[in-house]
Amino acid sequence: AQSVTQLGSHVSVSEGALVLLRCNYSSSVPPYLFWYVQYPNQGLQLLLKYTSAATLVKGINGFEAEFKKSETSFHLTKPSAHMSDAAEYFCAVSNSGGSNYKLTFGKGTLLTVNP
Amino acid sequence: GAVVSQHPSWVICKSGTSVKIECRSLDFQATTMFWYRQFPKQSLMLMATSNEGSKATYEQGVEKDKFLINHASLTLSTLTVTSAHPEDSSFYICSARFPRDSNQPQHFGDGTRLSIL
Repeated sequence: AQSVTQLGSHVSVSEGALVLLRCNYSSSVPPYLFWYVQYPNQGLQLLLKYTSAATLVKGINGFEAEFKKSETSFHLTKPSAHMSDAAEYFCAVSNSGGSNYKLTFGKGTLLTVNP
Repeated sequence: GAVVSQHPSWVICKSGTSVKIECRSLDFQATTMFWYRQFPKQSLMLMATSNEGSKATYEQGVEKDKFLINHASLTLSTLTVTSAHPEDSSFYICSARFPRDSNQPQHFGDGTRLSIL
């Protein structure tokens, strides 16, 4: 069984400030972990993924995340927020050996960026 | 890159009608497609997994007679909401798995917003 917990359903930052979105996972097997972004009335776009290679993963739009096994965490960060980063962010976990690569999503974190 | 197209993007219809949503993989053959439902300000809930040429596998609690899924080809899966009622109003998202793409487990469509009056 696998699950994802995203701490904080809503995070608000000022433009230029650090973005930190928290994600903790639970998995009985080595996990594959993902961060997705969703803009209003759109599907999901992959930001980055962890698949047991480097623990610090760099993604698109300046985002990165660090896999910490001891903390079972995969927090998403960005040094300087832009207005265009305002969106819903989902952390997801997948079983590494599953042929269908089912994704289990967290409940999401809405990021607002204030001017 | 791989693209998944979902149609229609928005549909409004009367209670009791059936609505079909299409999900197409435009430049790759998708052996597996997934259907999700998303309630306002909530996460994606997996409804079913469909493999080309076989019956869909529904998640617990999802009525298979209510949500008919057909995956007749490697590029097309359809979700039909039968005899839709206002409680079926939601945002439905499909995704497709491209086995040769090791970078992404699933490619997502842009979703369909279904409103039942």
